[in-house]
Amino acid sequence: QVILTQSPSASASLGASVKLTCTLNAGHINHPIAWHQQRPGKGPRYLMKLNSDGSHSKGDGIPDRFSGSSSGAERYLSISGLRSEDEADYYCQTWGSGIQIFGAGTKLTV
Amino acid sequence: EVQLVESGGDLVQPGGSLRLSCAASGFTFRIYWMSWVRQAPGKGLEWVASIKEDGSDKYYVDSVKGRFSISRDNAHNSLFLQMNSLRGEDTAIYYCAKLRFTNWVEYWGQGILVTVSS
Repeated sequence: QVILTQSPSASASLGASVKLTCTLNAGHINHPIAWHQQRPGKGPRYLMKLNSDGSHSKGDGIPDRFSGSSSGAERYLSISGLRSEDEADYYCQTWGSGIQIFGAGTKLTV
Repeated sequence: EVQLVESGGDLVQPGGSLRLSCAASGFTFRIYWMSWVRQAPGKGLEWVASIKEDGSDKYYVDSVKGRFSISRDNAHNSLFLQMNSLRGEDTAIYYCAKLRFTNWVEYWGQGILVTVSS
């Protein structure tokens, strides 16, 4: 069973950069994941699919400020030039055998 | 433009039933896996169920097996979730989701609220 671990919270200042982490459990470190953003009071939005080699493909209209990278079991979401609208919950997601698995989410405060 | 519009949410008593619908547009519905994902108040995202393009394969989270049933009507670009024997812990916003291949959620609906309470 794949398990995704995320820190509950992160904070950074306006205009700064932040790197959020999603960690895969042992035995599943090569799994790709997806990142999703959920702004307060809104539904989630797909940001990108991120492979174990760090290659990623972003969803429609996702700005260049958002990027992904990988190292071992870690999958990262980096956001540069932070804006107030980036304050949101960020979820990682993976999949297998017909099911989807979500991390518990990281609440980003800007 | 991909659009997923949920409907059918309501206040229902414990033990009751509800059927959610999702109207899909802007893509070729019949060639994509679809899912339902829910979010309890103040909690994170929880996958509920997925269905193959032709409806021949269905998967459920353990907590809803035997109570919920996912289905689709490809002729009418619609996804459904029949929810029976509802419990308080089923109270959540339910999101319709389009999957990329069988894998990640690529598009989300706006969500519909289901409240189970007496």
